[in-house]
Amino acid sequence: DAGVTQSPTHLIKTRGQQVTLRCSPKSGHDTVSWYQQALGQGPQFIFQYYEEEERQRGNFPDRFSGHQFPNYSSELNVNALLLGDSALYLCASSYVATNEKLFFGSGTQLSVL
Amino acid sequence: AQKVTQAQTEISVVEKEDVTLDCVYETRDTTYYLFWYKQPPSGELVFLIRRNSFDEQNEISGRYSWNFQKSTSSFNFTITASQVVDSAVYFCPSEYGNKLVFGAGTILRVKS
Repeated sequence: DAGVTQSPTHLIKTRGQQVTLRCSPKSGHDTVSWYQQALGQGPQFIFQYYEEEERQRGNFPDRFSGHQFPNYSSELNVNALLLGDSALYLCASSYVATNEKLFFGSGTQLSVL
Repeated sequence: AQKVTQAQTEISVVEKEDVTLDCVYETRDTTYYLFWYKQPPSGELVFLIRRNSFDEQNEISGRYSWNFQKSTSSFNFTITASQVVDSAVYFCPSEYGNKLVFGAGTILRVKS
């Protein structure tokens, strides 16, 4: 039983570029949440997707957008990248939009140069 | 709003020592859920426990134990007889709506 899988593992971009990160939830899960973890800090909630809709959003600008597909997988898009967007992006999945059993992937390490 | 404080930035112990990680919450909610997660160098957050703030019973799972005290809004985590494999960053997020609110984490280094 595969857990939460994220791709790519690492990514290097330059300022102003756009990036797409991908996440496949754990089998049986229908909800995907995205978190940003800057170096030396705890993860910060970006948004959550359930039934292909954004249910809740954290304090992130509109440059951060997402999508959930019918198979429950999800994408995180970041436009007009800034140096400060360099971080580990974590995807977490759960069932029916609860945090009772929240499973995290290993993340995508994004470096913006 | 929720706030989680992990005052211990980094702790170093020698293998087989017991270690306690502290966590304090600030919230206006009367009921909330609390968690502990472990983040090894691989980056993945590993779920350890989820508790309701109403439940003040201590919890023990093998070498791990947890103590929640509502009066001080603290949810401390103790590792008994620590091992090198326990080395990781530990987080104690609280649940707020559909999201988890994290503190800065505590780095635990267990030396052999």
